[in-house]
Amino acid sequence: KQEVTQIPAALSVPEGENLVLNCSFTDSAIYNLQWFRQDPGKGLTSLLLIQSSQREQTSGRLNASLDKSSGRSTLYIAASQPGDSATYLCAVKKTPGTYKYIFGTGTRLKVLA
Amino acid sequence: ETGVTQSPTHLIKTRGQQVTLRCSSQSGHNTVSWYQQALGQGPQFIFQYYREEENGRGNFPPRFSGLQFPNYSSELNVNALELDDSALYLCASSPGLAGGTLSYEQYFGPGTRLTVT
Repeated sequence: KQEVTQIPAALSVPEGENLVLNCSFTDSAIYNLQWFRQDPGKGLTSLLLIQSSQREQTSGRLNASLDKSSGRSTLYIAASQPGDSATYLCAVKKTPGTYKYIFGTGTRLKVLA
Repeated sequence: ETGVTQSPTHLIKTRGQQVTLRCSSQSGHNTVSWYQQALGQGPQFIFQYYREEENGRGNFPPRFSGLQFPNYSSELNVNALELDDSALYLCASSPGLAGGTLSYEQYFGPGTRLTVT
């Protein structure tokens, strides 16, 4: 049974810092992995999607890496801003053809001005 | 282009009652998925619908059921509500097959907060 763990559960950093969020999964047989952002009272916003054959994806100040063999992914946020404050969730999918993602419990990030 | 909308925003029900939650997909999206997110947890996949047919289900009992309509809007029905059903219910729409390529991008609605007392 696939389990997804995110460490740390909460993180507080001063504005401008670079930071890394971690995601680990127990079954390396995944199809893809997504990183999402969730703001309070709102739904999820997809940030980056990495296919199992890819090593990393970049979007602006965000960079996500994937090491399938070790069951790990990291989300790197450069030059953090107060607007980055949110909960960040990673999710993995085992098989194509469905949208059945297994989510981690998230990392609650607070960037202090 | 309007995004994914859900109604109602909040709902309070009593144990044993039935509830219907609604989702309006993003224009042009033919696939919808429903998730349950308990407080402090990640979302859990309930099921997905493609062109009005359920074609994927998570570990939820049959009292969780759904419908997708020809305009691709969707309902989630929960019968015999239990206290543990209290959660944020999220729907997500996806373009599915677009131009011969399956897109795995999902667009989430803001959710319905269900409280069962």
